[in-house]
Amino acid sequence: EPEVTQTPSHQVTQMGQEVILRCVPISNHLYFYWYRQILGQKVEFLVSFYNNEISEKSEIFDDQFSVERPDGSNFTLKIRSTKLEDSAMYFCASFPSGQGGTDTQYFGPGTRLTVL
Amino acid sequence: GQNIDQPTEMTATEGAIVQINCTYQTSGFNGLFWYQQHAGEAPTFLSYNVLDGLEEKGRFSSFLSRSKGYSYLLLKELQMKDSASYLCAVRAKAAGNKLTFGGGTRVLVKP
Repeated sequence: EPEVTQTPSHQVTQMGQEVILRCVPISNHLYFYWYRQILGQKVEFLVSFYNNEISEKSEIFDDQFSVERPDGSNFTLKIRSTKLEDSAMYFCASFPSGQGGTDTQYFGPGTRLTVL
Repeated sequence: GQNIDQPTEMTATEGAIVQINCTYQTSGFNGLFWYQQHAGEAPTFLSYNVLDGLEEKGRFSSFLSRSKGYSYLLLKELQMKDSASYLCAVRAKAAGNKLTFGGGTRVLVKP
């Protein structure tokens, strides 16, 4: 069964450094998402991406965040200058059609980001 | 905006039944999802409701009442491996079809 993959599984960085989290969505899916989950807290929406542009973003997704689909398969989340509070699990998800219905979002295994 | 509430924690015995309730307030409702999440892992899809009523999938069932903004997930014949967090998530009719999650209900299954 096709699945969403993410790399790396764990990233440790110093405060102020840039990080890029990578995702390979399921190949025929059209919508892509980033969510984050701070330890012990709920899963929070960051951004959705469709047709090579951001379709929606949350208040969390400020100027230090950016997303890109540099080729036909990868979907990346860049954090320009990491802060301690960016430490979280970051999940990529993809969605087949964007037309609703019974289609669900499929989540990747996550990247655990630790900012020191 | 959207607001989703579910109990923080529940305990049940192996072989028993547990019902996890979820109440929500949202504009532009376009479906309610239940996910299972084991510690340190990604959410995995369990069930989906968009119309009122009960959806059954093996040991798991989910119910929706749109007029009451209420859903529940029913877990039958509990097994030890069912110990996990169960996340209620609402999809909005918006450009991105994003999911808004509740805080999750941690279910502990005891022998």
